[in-house]
Amino acid sequence: DVKVTQSSRYLVKRTGEKVFLECVQDMDHENMFWYRQDPGLGLRLIYFSYDVKMKEKGDIPEGYSVSREKKERFSLILESASTNQTSMYLCASSASGKAQETQYFGPGTRLLVL
Amino acid sequence: AQSVTQPDIHITVSEGASLELRCNYSYGATPYLFWYVQSPGQGLQLLLKYFSGDTLVQGIKGFEAEFKRSQSSFNLRKPSVHWSDAAEYFCAVGAYNTDKLIFGTGTRLQVFP
Repeated sequence: DVKVTQSSRYLVKRTGEKVFLECVQDMDHENMFWYRQDPGLGLRLIYFSYDVKMKEKGDIPEGYSVSREKKERFSLILESASTNQTSMYLCASSASGKAQETQYFGPGTRLLVL
Repeated sequence: AQSVTQPDIHITVSEGASLELRCNYSYGATPYLFWYVQSPGQGLQLLLKYFSGDTLVQGIKGFEAEFKRSQSSFNLRKPSVHWSDAAEYFCAVGAYNTDKLIFGTGTRLQVFP
């Protein structure tokens, strides 16, 4: 079974702090994704990566950056956390870049920015 | 541009009753269509997906969905709901030349005993 793990289930940070969310997949998948999930808005794509050191902006990249130094690991970085970044963050991976590939999700990190 | 609409924010059914969750999409060509389920405190899990061929797709946990091109719909159905089906359900659409999925806003299912 594909396993996608996220470093924290719950996180509380202060406004202005730099925040790192880590995601690791164990199936040698090419693509990795970061989404945020908010009530009434569904999932919105922040960034995705189709290869090591490669990244592309999603629909809401502002205020975020990402890093993919190793194939299995994809990090989301909030350079200076703000209260409007309080949300659930979901990481996903898929075998290739084709749209028909199943995305496998981690359990999510619920971030509260005070 | 692609889009997905799930018109029902919240649905409540009795255990044992049938279920239909609605999903409408907007896309010029034949899309790739997915249903995911998110149980409380969990990530999303794929229920089923449609690319081509038979328009009635069987998935896990006894779910099925039917692709209707004329109605731009991909509704999810289950003949008899179990209490463990209480969750949030997301419809998603993908396009041929993109890595990305577009998700609907979700439908929360509540099941009464």
